[in-house]
Amino acid sequence: DAGITQSPRHKVTETGTPVTLRCHQTENHRYMYWYRQDPGHGLRLIHYSYGVKDTDKGEVSDGYSVSRSKTEDFLLTLESATSSQTSVYFCAATRRHENGYTFGSGTRLTVV
Amino acid sequence: DQQVKQNSPSLSVQEGRISILNCDYTNSMFDYFLWYKKYPAEGPTFLISISSIKDKNEDGRFTVFLNKSAKHLSLHIVPSQPGDSAVYFCAASGKQSGVSARQLTFGSGTQLTVLP
Repeated sequence: DAGITQSPRHKVTETGTPVTLRCHQTENHRYMYWYRQDPGHGLRLIHYSYGVKDTDKGEVSDGYSVSRSKTEDFLLTLESATSSQTSVYFCAATRRHENGYTFGSGTRLTVV
Repeated sequence: DQQVKQNSPSLSVQEGRISILNCDYTNSMFDYFLWYKKYPAEGPTFLISISSIKDKNEDGRFTVFLNKSAKHLSLHIVPSQPGDSAVYFCAASGKQSGVSARQLTFGSGTQLTVLP
């Protein structure tokens, strides 16, 4: 267990409000990822980080931004939440890709 | 355009029998493949992986087979147990130009139900 903690675990927010999800890891992994899981789509990559202050876009990055100011923390921000961003969000981390990723327990976000 | 496809959304198997989960991919740059298992309200957990230089990898009851010419991989679980009931995701990774680090591309998942 790479000690990945996601917060909050559940959140309900209104359309148009900003939301920040937090991912915290205790294993000093270099690479961190944010995915969203939706029925019929599996897990889709939103953004990822390959080091402090080094981030890049994934497959479904529109409407999301990220920041990584410390190795252990990777934040996902929805600047203005929309109903299409209702989903389960997973954070993942790894030191070496060959070892696979370790995932957090997820954040269930509902935008009403 | 899905680069990793799991065409069976669900699979039911009797306890003690073999479970075979299938996955197809389209991107020739993928060179590493993984299977993850996911229980409800939990994050996915890594199960087994295979490099493109191999065609088989085994770990206890779990075996992954890779057919590069067909761009197909499968996960065999023998014997299947009720605790194996979960969603199984296939994932692939490769060195792709224009990206800063390796990424995992996931399939849509297969719900396996092992009946007692």
